[in-house]
Amino acid sequence: EAGVTQFPSHSVIEKGQTVTLRCDPISGHDNLYWYRRVMGKEIKFLLHFVKESKQDESGMPNNRFLAERTGGTYSTLKVQPAELEDSGVYFCASSQVRLPGTEAFFGQGTRLTVV
Amino acid sequence: DQQVKQNSPSLSVQEGRISILNCDYTNSMFDYFLWYKKYPAEGPTFLISISSIKDKNEDGRFTVFLNKSAKHLSLHIVPSQPGDSAVYFCAATPHSGAGSYQLTFGKGTKLSVIP
Repeated sequence: EAGVTQFPSHSVIEKGQTVTLRCDPISGHDNLYWYRRVMGKEIKFLLHFVKESKQDESGMPNNRFLAERTGGTYSTLKVQPAELEDSGVYFCASSQVRLPGTEAFFGQGTRLTVV
Repeated sequence: DQQVKQNSPSLSVQEGRISILNCDYTNSMFDYFLWYKKYPAEGPTFLISISSIKDKNEDGRFTVFLNKSAKHLSLHIVPSQPGDSAVYFCAATPHSGAGSYQLTFGKGTKLSVIP
């Protein structure tokens, strides 16, 4: 069974540009989470989808970030326009049931560098 | 304000000895705690968890202890093996909340097991 897959693995963009990150969860997993780790800091929650609906987006830093999950399958996270402080590693996780963490599987992350 | 703190950025231990990783939390709403292990260029992998109704949970070489009154938990690895070398993240969540069970992570402790 394929795990959580994230594309791209690395992205370097200039300040002001737009970047779209993609996450393919494990097939059949209704719950999809986005997290971010800024250099030297903790991994922080961004948002949670249940199927195609946003269950909790309290961690989204500002309106430059837009997450979608059309059809309840893969998800995209768009940053527009990107700022220097958006640099970090963006992790996606998915789970079959809405339980605390145990069944959540993380992808390898997308390292975003804004220059 | 960091709600989950891992005050030791790094720890070195000889192979075969015990590794003890510590974690403190401040939010009284947290009642489910997890440890994740992360290798370079990979996403976090679930290791072990504990509910607040318990003070100890054991899984093979890994044991997590919880001291609710002190808001402190620790992960014991014994015996430590070179393959245990990784970054360990402590995470917490309110188990019974109506939210998304978002995880709040610490900054991580890098464990190096020396052969």
